[in-house]
Amino acid sequence: NAGVTQTPKFRILKIGQSMTLQCTQDMNHNYMYWYRQDPGMGLKLIYYSVGAGITDKGEVPNGYNVSRSTTEDFPLRLELAAPSQTSVYFCASSGPFFREDQPQHFGDGTRLSIL
Amino acid sequence: KNQVEQSPQSLIILEGKNCTLQCNYTVSPFSNLRWYKQDTGRGPVSLTIMTFSENTKSNGRYTATLDADTKQSSLHITASQLSDSASYICVVSPTNAGKSTFGDGTTLTVKP
Repeated sequence: NAGVTQTPKFRILKIGQSMTLQCTQDMNHNYMYWYRQDPGMGLKLIYYSVGAGITDKGEVPNGYNVSRSTTEDFPLRLELAAPSQTSVYFCASSGPFFREDQPQHFGDGTRLSIL
Repeated sequence: KNQVEQSPQSLIILEGKNCTLQCNYTVSPFSNLRWYKQDTGRGPVSLTIMTFSENTKSNGRYTATLDADTKQSSLHITASQLSDSASYICVVSPTNAGKSTFGDGTTLTVKP
């Protein structure tokens, strides 16, 4: 199993551009999450999904959109990129069903700079 | 507001020594507490998970303890190795599956 795969690994955007960060998992997990990690700070939840077709906002959703058309994929869309969105973005998954003692499996992140 | 405070912010120890990292939280209601290890440039990897009823959990040289009454947890690393150099993150989850609170992490450096 590849686990959680994120693409691209690095990206530089200009202010106002848009892009989609890709995340896919091959563990048949129902739960998927998007986080951002600013330097020296803890991870902040952007959006999460409890299954295909179901998404919900996390702590910092403004400026982002998500979709979950399949169990495997959970793309994150940035519209009108702003310098404040410069960060490292992590996708994670857990499952297949919610249990208190199960870990989240993380991808290796997408490092995004907005200039 | 739910908070997770970790201390120290950074720590340097010599290879072979033990160390203890601290995590205090105010998350309520409480479901579980997790410790993750994050190597530079990589995603976090789960070390231990403790639910409300557990007060200790081990994973090799890593031992986590939990005191739900005082809302404190610690991660003890025994006989440190150079590969233990990483950021250690404490994560506390309420009963809602999606809304965990992450600490800012403790950066551990193990020197030869």
